[in-house]
Amino acid sequence: DIQLTQSPSSLSASVGDRVTITCQASQDINKYLNWFQQKPGKAPKLLMYDASNLEIGVPARFSGSGSGTDFTFTISGLQPEDFATYFCQQFDKLPITFGQGTRLDIK
Amino acid sequence: QVQLQESGPGLVKPSETLSLTCSVSGDSIRSYYWNWIRQTPGKGLEWIGYIHYSGSTNYNPSLRSRVTISMDTSKDQFSLSLKSVTAADTAVYYCARGIRPTPGGYWGQGTLVTVSS
Repeated sequence: DIQLTQSPSSLSASVGDRVTITCQASQDINKYLNWFQQKPGKAPKLLMYDASNLEIGVPARFSGSGSGTDFTFTISGLQPEDFATYFCQQFDKLPITFGQGTRLDIK
Repeated sequence: QVQLQESGPGLVKPSETLSLTCSVSGDSIRSYYWNWIRQTPGKGLEWIGYIHYSGSTNYNPSLRSRVTISMDTSKDQFSLSLKSVTAADTAVYYCARGIRPTPGGYWGQGTLVTVSS
């Protein structure tokens, strides 16, 4: 199975900050990486697909980049509603796997 | 508006079979990929498998011997069957639609299934 390692596991930030999360794959996954946001008690919400494509309706302050094994996810100008847990997920090779998550808290 | 809703028992006894159904509204399951995913505090998010509208399936090898995903196109529903459950199968179970062979933008709200006697 492909392992996805997210960094950091948690971070604290303030409204208006720019934050970056990284996701490293244990082998080449091309561009086949999604990013999800999850709030407590809710299902994950797809934010980005194919590493750098914004899902319809998702604000442009979210962005992503990378290919191969190294990926980044950035939120530029944190809003109060952005405090949540973020997961990367690969679908280049079965089984589909998820990162362990990055919890983003208010500082 | 596409909506997915999981249903099924919230409590299952060890060694029995966990059965869940996902009802799809606002869309037909005669297209796309239909996934099951589960989440636990300890293991995080785990993809269980999907069924394609053609009827083909793919399962996580870690669960393949115990899992069956099926679909009922007449009801726009698809189902998960997980046999011989143990406490380790206690989780929130989600169903999700994917345009490609991956969970995508539409998920159910999730349902907690506890395995306990």
